[in-house]
Amino acid sequence: ETGVTQSPTHLIKTRGQQVTLRCSSQSGHNTVSWYQQALGQGPQFIFQYYREEENGRGNFPPRFSGLQFPNYSSELNVNALELDDSALYLCASRAYNEQFFGPGTRLTVL
Amino acid sequence: GQQVMQIPQYQHVQEGEDFTTYCNSSTTLSNIQWYKQRPGGHPVFLIQLVKSGEVKKQKRLTFQFGEAKKNSSLHITATQTTDVGTYFCAGEHNDYKLSFGAGTTVTVRA
Repeated sequence: ETGVTQSPTHLIKTRGQQVTLRCSSQSGHNTVSWYQQALGQGPQFIFQYYREEENGRGNFPPRFSGLQFPNYSSELNVNALELDDSALYLCASRAYNEQFFGPGTRLTVL
Repeated sequence: GQQVMQIPQYQHVQEGEDFTTYCNSSTTLSNIQWYKQRPGGHPVFLIQLVKSGEVKKQKRLTFQFGEAKKNSSLHITATQTTDVGTYFCAGEHNDYKLSFGAGTTVTVRA
C-alpha cells in the first residue's frame, strides 16, 4: 500500500460534461502530480502541485485544471470532456526521491 | 519537445534467462526513475538514478544511468514469473516534468 487513495475508482461521463477526480496523499507529502495513462501507453504528465501551487505542467489544454489543499488532498478537473479523455488518471505524491502512485480512476467518456 | 524512448516494447523471456530494457532521452535529464506496473495495477516506484554513470542493484535488477545522463537501462537476471509486468522508465527534467517511456511489457515462459 502506498498510502495514496483516489476516488472514484471508475467513472462514466458523456462528451461535453465536466468531471472532478480526487486524490488523498500521505501526510507530509507536499508534492502531488497527476498523470493520464491511455491503454497500452505510459503515463503522461498533466501537472504538478507543490504547497498548493502549480509548479509544472505537461502538454495538456487549459480545460485540465487542478487544486491542492492543505490537508494533502488534491483534485483534477476536466471540462468539456472529449472521447480521447478516456483513460486511467493517476495521482502520485512525492517524498524525497520516491514517488507513490495511487490506484487510479478509470474514466470512460461516451 | 522532451521525449523518452524505450525499447523493446515487448520482451518474451524464458524463465531463468536474462533481459535488458533500454531508455533514451532526446535531452539531458536531471534524474531517471524506473517503475513496474502489473496488469490492472498502478506504477510502483523501483528506483531513482541521479548521478552520471550511476549503477544501482536491487537483487536481480541492475539499473544504469549513462554518462551523458540521456540514457538508462534495466537488466534483470534469472527472470522469474514474478517479473511479469510492464517496466517504465521516466526521465525528469529541471522543470519538474516527468516524461515516461512507452514501457517494456515482459512475459515469462515457464
